[in-house]
Amino acid sequence: EAGVAQSPRYKIIEKRQSVAFWCNPISGHATLYWYQQILGQGPKLLIQFQNNGVVDDSQLPKDRFSAERLKGVDSTLKIQPAKLEDSAVYLCASSSSDRGSDSPLHFGNGTRLTVT
Amino acid sequence: DAKTTQPPSMDCAEGRAANLPCNHSTISGNEYVYWYRQIHSQGPQYIIHGLKNNETNEMASLIITEDRKSSTLILPHATLRDTAVYYCIVRSWTGNQFYFGTGTSLTVIP
Repeated sequence: EAGVAQSPRYKIIEKRQSVAFWCNPISGHATLYWYQQILGQGPKLLIQFQNNGVVDDSQLPKDRFSAERLKGVDSTLKIQPAKLEDSAVYLCASSSSDRGSDSPLHFGNGTRLTVT
Repeated sequence: DAKTTQPPSMDCAEGRAANLPCNHSTISGNEYVYWYRQIHSQGPQYIIHGLKNNETNEMASLIITEDRKSSTLILPHATLRDTAVYYCIVRSWTGNQFYFGTGTSLTVIP
């Protein structure tokens, strides 16, 4: 089975610019997650989708970050405008499970964002 | 928010068993314990998970204490390729979220 695909792999932008990341989950996976991982830290959950609906976006900085999952498949995460502290790896993960199941998350290799 | 506590770093000799502990004293009865590892420049990789019973797969064994307040991941014969950061995660039952802590950085020494 194909894994979680993310693009681009790397991105360098200047502060105040905008950037978008794309994620294609494993086929059939209803749940999709975006995580932010700052160097030296564990991944931090930003937003969780169940199909095309948002389940949890409590840790998403909504003044500058937005995410959508049209048609319940692919997802995009956008930052506008970017700040220096947004430099991180942005990880996408998917899972086949709904609440109450125990299927694991499967991660992509992430997009490394550098804001200068 | 992370509900687990792990030592920040550990060393293990190549060929020996690596035992990585995790404390999850506030775990609820229906919450699973998951283990992932992350090698530099890659996304976290699933290793194993369990609820109450000990589990074993081709990668590792998971030992969960009877009171479920702690667990140990065992890599039976560590190799240099097992050098990575290992995360212990308690899966939120209510919302299906996975919250990561800071993990344990395991170094396998030749």
